[in-house]
Amino acid sequence: EAQVTQNPRYLITVTGKKLTVTCSQNMNHEYMSWYRQDPGLGLRQIYYSMNVEVTDKGDVPEGYKVSRKEKRNFPLILESPSPNQTSLYFCASSLRDRAIYEQYFGPGTRLTVT
Amino acid sequence: SQELEQSPQSLIVQEGKNLTINCTSSKTLYGLYWYKQKYGEGLIFLMMLQKGGEEKSHEKITAKLDEKKQQSSLHITASQPSHAGIYLCGADPTSGSARQLTFGSGTQLTVLP
Repeated sequence: EAQVTQNPRYLITVTGKKLTVTCSQNMNHEYMSWYRQDPGLGLRQIYYSMNVEVTDKGDVPEGYKVSRKEKRNFPLILESPSPNQTSLYFCASSLRDRAIYEQYFGPGTRLTVT
Repeated sequence: SQELEQSPQSLIVQEGKNLTINCTSSKTLYGLYWYKQKYGEGLIFLMMLQKGGEEKSHEKITAKLDEKKQQSSLHITASQPSHAGIYLCGADPTSGSARQLTFGSGTQLTVLP
């Protein structure tokens, strides 16, 4: 089954404790992206990757890191999480940049930073 | 940067009623995309509009893009509980390169049985 998987689905952590949210897709997609969703602000892009070893900042990259060492995986790293990073995070992928509108979204990771 | 305003922010309708959700841009839209999200789940792509005056339908959902390409509406006919969720409009802000999507804040739709 074609899908985007994220882990963990729920995470409660404390300020400053490094964490990684994994994202994996099994569709051989070139393009992958991370979004955060906050009430009243909609979806905002954090980082995106056009292909392996090619990443770029989205609208709200501060406080986040990403890497794309393999085509299927695109982990999101929070080196020192803060409470303002409490949010619902989505990973997405699509075949290529021209097909962004057909992004497949993962189920989301709900992160709480206390 | 491109800003998308959605209205209303939330909507509660009785099953069987029609409803409309609007998405307005501060700039010309080069591509407008409608998504649906169920609570706690990822987004599902519904429709894409690119040409001024374009209209597309899927089952009981119709989306339109105005001639000036700055406003889109999503219309649901004879709503059902399965239509409940968050509807988001997304736009391509970079004149066709489609490298990023900007999203509206979403409209929470509740359909009462």
